[in-house]
Amino acid sequence: DQQVKQNSPSLSVQEGRISILNCDYTNSMFDYFLWYKKYPAEGPTFLISISSIKDKNEDGRFTVFLNKSAKHLSLHIVPSQPGDSAVYFCAAQAAAGNKLTFGGGTRVLVKP
Amino acid sequence: EAQVTQNPRYLITVTGKKLTVTCSQNMNHEYMSWYRQDPGLGLRQIYYSMNVEVTDKGDVPEGYKVSRKEKRNFPLILESPSPNQTSLYFCASSLGGVVIPSTGELFFGEGSRLTVL
Repeated sequence: DQQVKQNSPSLSVQEGRISILNCDYTNSMFDYFLWYKKYPAEGPTFLISISSIKDKNEDGRFTVFLNKSAKHLSLHIVPSQPGDSAVYFCAAQAAAGNKLTFGGGTRVLVKP
Repeated sequence: EAQVTQNPRYLITVTGKKLTVTCSQNMNHEYMSWYRQDPGLGLRQIYYSMNVEVTDKGDVPEGYKVSRKEKRNFPLILESPSPNQTSLYFCASSLGGVVIPSTGELFFGEGSRLTVL
């Protein structure tokens, strides 16, 4: 039973447009959420995070939105660039937990 | 350079032949963990360690062993590999606990692709 789900396995977007990646979770104990980015033949790297006390966190072109009532978060990339082409993983952690639970990933392709 | 180093990066082996994937970090991190990545399933935690001599099971520990004798090293041992352990493996570390809200970072190695025939 996947507690963190990314229902879109892939996304294609034109350069300069917005990329929106979605993530749903089921565990109400999760209170910290992260996005990781992964290029081929490399390990995932941290991108942006959000605590459950917030509903938005912004870092340059990347913004994460959290809707606790819907148990849903999203990552917006504006504007999208070809270098953003990668697999993006959503992850969640409970305050008392010792692990990150990851979603299945969304492959993003930004076309020039 | 701060990094998590895994070896080997690629390995093809046969069923039942014991193997070890090494992991070393140079950041003095207390927390280390192993994940496997499979298509559509994302990253699933195998084992983790909160500190030296402290290890615990993750979500998919069956068929794996770990040890944490030194702070910097966290090897993953497959005593009798089977084809269902064919996967991409990642070692990761963080300063304390899983994540520190101020940094939010878990540092990953580059991955070890294992094929068990």
